[in-house]
Order: sequence, then C-alpha cells, then structure tokens
Amino acid sequence: DVKVTQSSRYLVKRTGEKVFLECVQDMDHENMFWYRQDPGLGLRLIYFSYDVKMKEKGDIPEGYSVSREKKERFSLILESASTNQTSMYLCASSLTDRGRNQPQHFGDGTRLSIL
Amino acid sequence: AQSVTQPDIHITVSEGASLELRCNYSYGATPYLFWYVQSPGQGLQLLLKYFSGDTLVQGIKGFEAEFKRSQSSFNLRKPSVHWSDAAEYFCAVGPYYNQGGKLIFGQGTELSVKP
Repeated sequence: DVKVTQSSRYLVKRTGEKVFLECVQDMDHENMFWYRQDPGLGLRLIYFSYDVKMKEKGDIPEGYSVSREKKERFSLILESASTNQTSMYLCASSLTDRGRNQPQHFGDGTRLSIL
Repeated sequence: AQSVTQPDIHITVSEGASLELRCNYSYGATPYLFWYVQSPGQGLQLLLKYFSGDTLVQGIKGFEAEFKRSQSSFNLRKPSVHWSDAAEYFCAVGPYYNQGGKLIFGQGTELSVKP
C-alpha cells in the first residue's frame, strides 16, 4: 500500500513566521501535490511537482513556495504566515506509468492554525 | 473552463436507504473521473475511477458510479447506506495522459446517516 506521510497532524504558528509542511511518500511516485481544503471550497491545488527539482504553480500559489530536492519528499513553505492561511493542507502523490496517470494517494492532512 | 460541480453540499439519508450523490463536470478532453471519500480527520481515499469501458463502474465499500457523457455527469450510488458511510465525498476530473495527473475537485458533499 502507498503511504503518504505528513509530518504534523496539527500545527499552530504565529503571523509572520516561516512555516514548513513536510510530506514523504514511499512508492517512488514522480508526481506530488499540495492542496488546501476549506469548507465549501473543496480542494484547491497550491503547487505540484512532476519530478525532482521541478515545480509548477497550481490555482492558488500566492504566499506559498515548495521544494523538492528528493523524489520522495515535497515540502510546502509559507514564507510569512498570515491568518488567511489557516486551513487544512493535504499532500498527495501519484505515478505516471508509460504516460498514463494513476490515481492520487493522499496523506492524512495537516491542520494549520495561524494566530 | 474546466470545473466540477457537486450540487448538494449536505445530504442526510436513513441507514439502509439508497444513496445518490451528483457530480457534473466540464472538461475539454476525454475526462478521467474519480470519487474520493474523506472520513473526519483523515485524508482522501479513492472509491472508484473511470476513463473508458463499461459506463457503470464498481468501487470499494459497495459504491458504484455511472458515467453519462451526454449529461456530463458521474453520479455515485450505493443501494443501502451504512452508518459508517457518513463522511465527505469528492468528485474529481483530470487527464488520463501526461500533464502530471493534475486533478480538479468539486466542492464536496457531506453525507450524514440517520439511525
């Protein structure tokens, strides 16, 4: 079974802090994704990566950056946290097999509160 | 524009009753469609997926979904709901080939089950 592990289930930070959310997958997947989930808005894509050191902006990248130095790890960075970034953050990974996309596998999420 | 609409934000059904959750999509290419379920405090779990073939697809936990191209719909059904089915359900669409498998999610439908 694919395992996607997010480093924290709950995190409380202060406005202006630099925040790191870590995600690790154990199945050698090329593709990794960061979403934020807010009530009534579903999941919105922040950034994704389809290879090491590669990244692409999703629908709501403002205020965030990402890092993918190793294939198994994808980090989301809030450069200067603000209260409107209080949310649930979900990481996912997937495989592209001979050009065919496989379903995404999700971690359990990090509930981040910015005070 | 590419989008997924789940018209029902919240549905309540009695245990043992049948269930249908609606999903409509707008997508420029041949859609690769998914239903995911999220239990409280957890990540998303894949219920089923569809790209081609028989338009009625079977998933885990007794769920099925029917693809109707003419209606741009991919509705999820279950003949008899169990209390453990209470959760949030997400429909998603994306490409089958390449593009990193990026998905567009609906807003979600929260299911409550009455005893």
